[in-house]
Amino acid sequence: QVQLQQSGPGLVKSSQTLSLTCAISGDSVSGNSVAWIWIRQSPSRGLEWLARTYYRSKWYFDYAVSVKSRITINPDTSKNHFSLQLNSVTPEDTAVYYCARQRDHFDYWGQGTLVTVSS
Amino acid sequence: DIVMTQSPDSLAVSLGERATINCKSSQSVLDSFNNKNHLAWYQQKPGQPPKALIYWASTRESGVPDRFSGSGSGTDFTLTISSLQADDVALYYCHQYSGPPFTFGQGTKLEIK
Repeated sequence: QVQLQQSGPGLVKSSQTLSLTCAISGDSVSGNSVAWIWIRQSPSRGLEWLARTYYRSKWYFDYAVSVKSRITINPDTSKNHFSLQLNSVTPEDTAVYYCARQRDHFDYWGQGTLVTVSS
Repeated sequence: DIVMTQSPDSLAVSLGERATINCKSSQSVLDSFNNKNHLAWYQQKPGQPPKALIYWASTRESGVPDRFSGSGSGTDFTLTISSLQADDVALYYCHQYSGPPFTFGQGTKLEIK
């Protein structure tokens, strides 16, 4: 059974960096038939896909245009996890952040982390 | 980006009755290579992450009750709950995974009448 366990602070100050980690059990971050995803959810923006990484002989990365200049998704094979960094945050980045596995659709999700950006 | 539009925004149905939620995509999500629609449905309850119910437009996830069914192709899709149970009260989202970018509908709130 795949499980995704998120960790990271729930409060970040404006202009600073939001950092979250998603620990994977029951699968491998470098698995060749899956991808790993960050999504956020807020009342104003709904469910918003942010980033994806996957390994197919080399690492690939995809980012949403809305955050592309500020975001990094980083896989760590030694710890079997992946992380999210979102720079220069503003109160508009306040949301519940989820990690997820993609095997076609998003079949397993982390528990979610409410991140509040304080001004 | 593919825009996903759900209707209605909210729905109240009596226990045991049928509930139908519609989803329309701004472009076709049918993959001509494998003839599959890259369309999924999720259920979300308060304080929980979305839970996948249906993928490839009509394939139920393991463990999902058979009262949930998905249909449609191209740009028009439907999630049907054949006989509403109290446990089905939730938000429901459609999602296209033709991307990236991957996009979701705005959600439909399902309540008991």
